[in-house]
Amino acid sequence: EVQLVQSGAEVKKPGESLKISCKGSGYSFTSYWIGWVRQMPGKGLEWMGIIYPGDSETRYSPSFQGQVTISADKSISTAYLQWSSLKASDTAMYYCARHTRSYGLDVWGQGTTVTVSS
Amino acid sequence: DIVMTQTPLSLSVTPGQPASISCKSSQSLLHSDGKTYLYWYLQKPGQSPQLLIYEVSSRFSGVPDRFSGSGSGTDFTLKISRVEAEDVGVYYCMQGIHLWTFGQGTNMEIK
Repeated sequence: EVQLVQSGAEVKKPGESLKISCKGSGYSFTSYWIGWVRQMPGKGLEWMGIIYPGDSETRYSPSFQGQVTISADKSISTAYLQWSSLKASDTAMYYCARHTRSYGLDVWGQGTTVTVSS
Repeated sequence: DIVMTQTPLSLSVTPGQPASISCKSSQSLLHSDGKTYLYWYLQKPGQSPQLLIYEVSSRFSGVPDRFSGSGSGTDFTLKISRVEAEDVGVYYCMQGIHLWTFGQGTNMEIK
């Protein structure tokens, strides 16, 4: 079974750093892009960016360029989304999803809730 | 950036009745490879989004045939022929021709 399993909920203070993860299984992790999607409380979906674990090529939405860093460790089939200095406005649910041109986002993780509060 | 605009933003449908959601893009989604990269997703309450339709009109694996997609260029439509209670949730269109962008979402409730 193709699966993406994300790390657990996080509660952080403004200014702290954070790295959340997304582990793929059941398919060739290095052959598919992995994307990240933000959903702020009560709001819609926002595409953040993608990474190709095979060579770590990344592409970002202009809205998120410079605000987050997407990376991957293909040796453990895991993609990451990280912040160097969190803000309260980063409070949201973050989803990872397998990404192809034909299917868009076809397999989704369960989501990671990030809460940033002083 | 390509802007995706959905209408309506909310709708209430009686079970067994049809439903339709429109999605308009600010640029044509026809790629030079001849394909049109428009997708539809459903996010049921408390769940991760799930893929319904890819490349405008192809149903993803396991998606009931009461869901259908149509359109071309900049105008697209998702139709549900006979709404069921399990179809409640927020529907999103997404473009995939220049990076990727979601529409604002359409919240569908059952009467």
